[in-house]
Amino acid sequence: DIQMTQSPSSLSSSVGDRVTITCQASRDISNYVNWYQQKPGKVPRLLIFGASNLQPGVPSRFSGGGSGTDFTFTISSLQPEDIATYYCQQYHNPPYTFGLGTKLDFK
Amino acid sequence: EVQLVESGGGLVRPGGSLRLSCSGSGLTFSSYAMHWVRQAPGKGLEYVSGISNNGVRTYYADSVKDRFTISRDNSAKMVYVQMSSLRPGDTAVYYCVVAYNWNDGSFDYWGQGILVTVSS
Repeated sequence: DIQMTQSPSSLSSSVGDRVTITCQASRDISNYVNWYQQKPGKVPRLLIFGASNLQPGVPSRFSGGGSGTDFTFTISSLQPEDIATYYCQQYHNPPYTFGLGTKLDFK
Repeated sequence: EVQLVESGGGLVRPGGSLRLSCSGSGLTFSSYAMHWVRQAPGKGLEYVSGISNNGVRTYYADSVKDRFTISRDNSAKMVYVQMSSLRPGDTAVYYCVVAYNWNDGSFDYWGQGILVTVSS
């Protein structure tokens, strides 16, 4: 199975900060990466698919990039409603494994 | 609108069995692969199992292989996961998910989740 190594596991930032999360795949997965947001007590929400494609309705401050084995997820200017846990996921081959998550909170 | 509704969760003893069901509506059910994702209390997301639209191909995480069996009934618009030899580590909220708008694997619709507790 493909392993997804996500970092950092937690991150403290301030409103307006630029935030970046990385994910590394255990082998080349082209651009078959998604990013999800999960707020406490809520169902996960797909934000980005195909490494860089924004799901309709997702604010443009969210972006993703990368290909091959190394991927990034960026929030250009952190807003209070962005406090959540973020997960990467590969869908190059099933089982479609997730990273362990990055818990984002305020300093 | 696409809706997924899970049922069948509850408390089960270690070594026991349980079958989860997921009902799909608002989509041409037989056209979509269906999947299960779980989340242990306070932990991250874990892909569990998936099944192709026609039921021919099935996928499992190593952690559940040979213990869980996924199946579907397209006429009833249902997907199931039969869980056996359950362990305390299987305790989690189980989500039924589908990649509706994009390629298979990009899960844009999730059920509300159903709790499975494995404990003596």
